[in-house]
Amino acid sequence: SAVISQKPSRDICQRGTSLTIQCQVDSQVTMMFWYRQQPGQSLTLIATANQGSEATYESGFVIDKFPISRPNLTFSTLTVSNMSPEDSSIYLCSPADPTTGELFFGEGSRLTVL
Amino acid sequence: AQSVTQLDSQVPVFEEAPVELRCNYSSSVSVYLFWYVQYPNQGLQLLLKYLSGSTLVKGINGFEAEFNKSQTSFHLRKPSVHISDTAEYFCAVSPQGGSEKLVFGKGTKLTVNP
Repeated sequence: SAVISQKPSRDICQRGTSLTIQCQVDSQVTMMFWYRQQPGQSLTLIATANQGSEATYESGFVIDKFPISRPNLTFSTLTVSNMSPEDSSIYLCSPADPTTGELFFGEGSRLTVL
Repeated sequence: AQSVTQLDSQVPVFEEAPVELRCNYSSSVSVYLFWYVQYPNQGLQLLLKYLSGSTLVKGINGFEAEFNKSQTSFHLRKPSVHISDTAEYFCAVSPQGGSEKLVFGKGTKLTVNP
């Protein structure tokens, strides 16, 4: 298993601003995913962030809006750019077990955009 | 590609009653199956997983699930629920090998009433 710490845990942001979410894992992981969970919804995959390669974005998500960094095997950041109220969500980073695909989660980052 | 259908979006039950949360999946290859739980205002945590072997899988908090390959199902059960089991439950599937992303169902909101 892995222990995941995200910062900030929650924030209230103004429309048009950007916020960077940091994700720290207590062990080295190759596969890491960023998810969004809108209120009352399931998880939607934003992108796959494997160390040593560019992030791969899912349909509907673009790098200009959600730039991701993965400088090493224990850390990643997701920036939510030019935020609008529709970006109000919980954002979760999740390392994966490379043999089973099992995902590990922390508490996530709860963003409210006014 | 894989897909997951959670047949019930909401399941209300009384305390100490049995409960079954239904999950069906679609895949052209063999899969791993997972159930995650999300308590109010918290992140996701793994309840149980099926990787191989016995089709009856036991997890935390008295939950169990049975893998039925012929019916492509992985229903979650608990013989007697508690108020504290009130949460959102997500079924997820990944292809065997672990190299691809987990696919989540839309979730089932379990509400346990006194």
